[in-house]
Amino acid sequence: KNEVEQSPQNLTAQEGEFITINCSYSVGISALHWLQQHPGGGIVSLFMLSSGKKKHGRLIATINIQEKHSSLHITASHPRDSAVYICVLSLTPTGNQFYFGTGTSLTVIP
Amino acid sequence: ETGVTQSPTHLIKTRGQQVTLRCSSQSGHNTVSWYQQALGQGPQFIFQYYREEENGRGNFPPRFSGLQFPNYSSELNVNALELDDSALYLCASSTLTGGNGYTFGSGTRLTVV
Repeated sequence: KNEVEQSPQNLTAQEGEFITINCSYSVGISALHWLQQHPGGGIVSLFMLSSGKKKHGRLIATINIQEKHSSLHITASHPRDSAVYICVLSLTPTGNQFYFGTGTSLTVIP
Repeated sequence: ETGVTQSPTHLIKTRGQQVTLRCSSQSGHNTVSWYQQALGQGPQFIFQYYREEENGRGNFPPRFSGLQFPNYSSELNVNALELDDSALYLCASSTLTGGNGYTFGSGTRLTVV
């Protein structure tokens, strides 16, 4: 059993649609990260969450510690949002133990 | 210095050889983490360096080793390269707790033939 599971694995959306990517986990964590990886490999750190909700532009990330679940939402999706989104668990406050989700591949069609 | 720079961007090595990959650290960050991403898979945590010491390690053999320098830049060394070591190697700098987020480099794509 994987410690962290993402769904869906693949997602195709029309431009403008509201998108939700889910991350469920089974271990205690110190924090949860959402990363965005573009074709070619470049990774951008989107959010680091330990509770509640964070918003940055059209991106919203939420976490429910009791339910061990996090969601990443994209409002008014755009083709440039096409990327792989990865959920990462940080197990310790010093950030030296990580579990990576397998990623959700998002394609936004114009 | 802003951002994280990795070098080289691409590298081809022969099985059995040794390789050194380099990673700068963003200004204000003192911790560097290294990840291996095989084709079609998610990144796997290799290890983390803080204050020039290894501060955590994933499930990688000892032939994967590293260094961190006083300016917080870091090197990843892989000895006795195997074909399965072919991957994208990513590094990220942060503070120890990652409170200000992680800044990733663009990666080094290593091909072992």
